[in-house]
Amino acid sequence: KAGVTQTPRYLIKTRGQQVTLSCSPISGHRSVSWYQQTPGQGLQFLFEYFSETQRNKGNFPGRFSGRQFSNSRSEMNVSTLELGDSALYLCASSLDQTEAFFGQGTRLTVV
Amino acid sequence: DQQVKQNSPSLSVQEGRISILNCDYTNSMFDYFLWYKKYPAEGPTFLISISSIKDKNEDGRFTVFLNKSAKHLSLHIVPSQPGDSAVYFCAARDPYGGATNKLIFGTGTLLAVQP
Repeated sequence: KAGVTQTPRYLIKTRGQQVTLSCSPISGHRSVSWYQQTPGQGLQFLFEYFSETQRNKGNFPGRFSGRQFSNSRSEMNVSTLELGDSALYLCASSLDQTEAFFGQGTRLTVV
Repeated sequence: DQQVKQNSPSLSVQEGRISILNCDYTNSMFDYFLWYKKYPAEGPTFLISISSIKDKNEDGRFTVFLNKSAKHLSLHIVPSQPGDSAVYFCAARDPYGGATNKLIFGTGTLLAVQP
């Protein structure tokens, strides 16, 4: 069965702009989590959605937001981009309380 | 405060030998642990997991051992292959906030398997 799909794979944005990233989970998985990976901070949890509700949130500013649709697809949005937002953004899907499967990630570069 | 720690940034092993990757954690409430393998610019690939009610779990060449009293887990890869060369992350599921799939990751160990 198809894995976790993230689009786009690469993005270049300018400081101050906003960006929307998309994630399609594995069919049947209702939990979608987002992570940010940077060289200095490693893999950091952003938020988790389950059945269209945000179930958990990490320590990121309000510029980072997300949502989940009825088909479990999820989007995350970053507004007023800063240089420090350059990172690999990863989406993970889970059935629930089981192993999480990750997508290939979206590489965001802010210039 | 780093709750999941991988104290060895890198490890080099000869092909065919055993690779042992270590992970320590500080929170005794953690009840589920996972290991992931990651190549640069790609998403982590799930390898193996273990619940805190077990002390060992095997899947092919991969075995994870959990020592709850020492708050320590390790991943054994036998035999090691050049294709195993990657960064390995240990992760623990956050025990707080009710039902959640939030994972707390270690900083990773770069494994190099020499032919």
